[in-house]
Amino acid sequence: ELKVEQNPLFLSMQEEKNYTIYCNYSTTSDRLYWYRQDPGKSLESLFVLLSNGAVKQEGRLMASLDTKARLSTLHITAAVHDLSATYFCAVDPMNRDDKIIFGKGTRLHILP
Amino acid sequence: GAVVSQHPSRVICKSGTSVKIECRSLDFQATTMFWYRQFPKQSLMLMATSNEGSKATYEQGVEKDKFLINHASLTLSTLTVTSAHPEDSSFYICSARVWVGYGYTFGSGTRLTVV
Repeated sequence: ELKVEQNPLFLSMQEEKNYTIYCNYSTTSDRLYWYRQDPGKSLESLFVLLSNGAVKQEGRLMASLDTKARLSTLHITAAVHDLSATYFCAVDPMNRDDKIIFGKGTRLHILP
Repeated sequence: GAVVSQHPSRVICKSGTSVKIECRSLDFQATTMFWYRQFPKQSLMLMATSNEGSKATYEQGVEKDKFLINHASLTLSTLTVTSAHPEDSSFYICSARVWVGYGYTFGSGTRLTVV
């Protein structure tokens, strides 16, 4: 059974600092997704990573995927308050049922 | 981009009544939709997978008779919470996979409160 572990689960950081959220998973997959969730809202897609070595960037966020290490990272550069949210990674085990497995989420709180 | 429209966004109902939640794919055909439940400060918990024209597949521990899922067309899936109780109060979210390269898109969620 595929397990997806995110860490840290909670992160409080100062504006302008850099930090990384890690997403480890337990079985082979080369499809991984990152989502953002604001309080009371649904999930917003951030990145779709579909191959080993994939790197995508949008503004102050950059995501990468290392399928051999079964690890994805979400890097935040020079954080700003607007990035405060919960971030989820989700892994597609590439079974026929198309179900994806979510990590527990990282609650990011950026202090002004 | 691909959009899943979910309604209602918020509903308050009395114990014992039923509530229907609708999810429509607006600009693509969703042969499969996923229904999740989310408690405060927790991750999404998959309840069931609905497939157009066939019976839904429920996750272990989810009551089929309580959470009725219908996927009658390629653009509409519904979740009906029957005989609702306060413990059914939660945030319900639907999702569909658009295609591999696009990933999954999520409805805006339904906040259900049972009083």
